[in-house]
Amino acid sequence: DAGVIQSPRHEVTEMGQEVTLRCKPISGHNSLFWYRQTMMRGLELLIYFNNNVPIDDSGMPEDRFSAKMPNASFSTLKIQPSEPRDSAVYFCASSLASWTGTVYEQYFGPGTRLTVT
Amino acid sequence: AQSVTQLGSHVSVSEGALVLLRCNYSSSVPPYLFWYVQYPNQGLQLLLKYTTGATLVKGINGFEAEFKKSETSFHLTKPSAHMSDAAEYFCAASGNTGKLIFGQGTTLQVKP
Repeated sequence: DAGVIQSPRHEVTEMGQEVTLRCKPISGHNSLFWYRQTMMRGLELLIYFNNNVPIDDSGMPEDRFSAKMPNASFSTLKIQPSEPRDSAVYFCASSLASWTGTVYEQYFGPGTRLTVT
Repeated sequence: AQSVTQLGSHVSVSEGALVLLRCNYSSSVPPYLFWYVQYPNQGLQLLLKYTTGATLVKGINGFEAEFKKSETSFHLTKPSAHMSDAAEYFCAASGNTGKLIFGQGTTLQVKP
């Protein structure tokens, strides 16, 4: 399996521009997570989906951020308009969640390093 | 609410020495516990996990961790550090929702 795939790996953009980050989870996984990592705040969960439905978006910092999962094999995280404080590494992770309560580990993608100037 | 605390943001050991990275969690229910490792410019990689059963868990690269409910701890150890172990390590806990709560991370430095 190719693992979780994220694109682009690096993104440099100017303040005010729209940024779209993409994620392809591992085939067969039904949960998808978006994280942001910075030196100041560490690793933060932004939003997660189960069976393509957003379950918890309490970590989304503000309305400039939005995430979608139109199908089981693709998700996007969009920032519009972008600001310098959005500069961070954004990770996507996927896992297999069981309704019996069994928790499986999350598999992380390589991340997208976003720089907003 | 669940929380995870990693004691020490930086740990430095000599090559060949014991590695001990500390993790404590707070939870009203028995959690699932994980240790992840992050090498520079890479994503997080699972080292080991505890769900149920044996409290001593063995992972990859010679690491192991012991779940101690009475101490609410899940410390990570390795008997002999290698230079290649230098990385950032994250402890994480989960209830039965699948959502992980991560600690702040501990950077392990290995000196020759």
